[in-house]
Amino acid sequence: KAGVTQTPRYLIKTRGQQVTLSCSPISGHRSVSWYQQTPGQGLQFLFEYFSETQRNKGNFPGRFSGRQFSNSRSEMNVSTLELGDSALYLCASSLDRANQPQHFGDGTRLSIL
Amino acid sequence: GENVEQHPSTLSVQEGDSAVIKCTYSDSASNYFPWYKQELGKGPQLIIDIRSNVGEKKDQRIAVTLNKTAKHFSLHITETQPEDSAVYFCAARAGSYQLTFGKGTKLSVIP
Repeated sequence: KAGVTQTPRYLIKTRGQQVTLSCSPISGHRSVSWYQQTPGQGLQFLFEYFSETQRNKGNFPGRFSGRQFSNSRSEMNVSTLELGDSALYLCASSLDRANQPQHFGDGTRLSIL
Repeated sequence: GENVEQHPSTLSVQEGDSAVIKCTYSDSASNYFPWYKQELGKGPQLIIDIRSNVGEKKDQRIAVTLNKTAKHFSLHITETQPEDSAVYFCAARAGSYQLTFGKGTKLSVIP
């Protein structure tokens, strides 16, 4: 069974640009969560989608947004990129929201110049 | 919101010895506690998890214990091997809310 797939693996952008990251969950998983990982802050929750609806949101500015499609694939978008947005962005999927294990992809490494 | 503290931040052990990583959580409503292992260049991999109705769970060389009263849980790795070297994260979740992670423990197993 294929795991969580994130594309692209690496991305380099400049300040002010916007970026879209993609996540394909494990087949049959309907919940997708996004996390930002940095050396200083660790793993921080961005948002969670279930059945195309955002069910939970972390403490990130409105520049961070996401969506989920009917096939459970998800995208996240960051607009007006700042240097501090440089991070590893991780996607995790699970069968549903209630106490099911989350399985992570290998992430997208975003570098802002 | 939930706060998870993880200790130690770094841990070095000799191959064959045991390693213990401890976490505390703040929200008494938390009822699901997974542990993840992250290797360089990879995403976190779920290695074991425990729910609040269980005090201990074991899977081969890995075990997790949970003390709900004290609000802490621990990861125990026995007979450590060089391939156990990685960063380990604990996490806690209350119901269907998001996972809150500890800051991680870098485990080095010295051959």
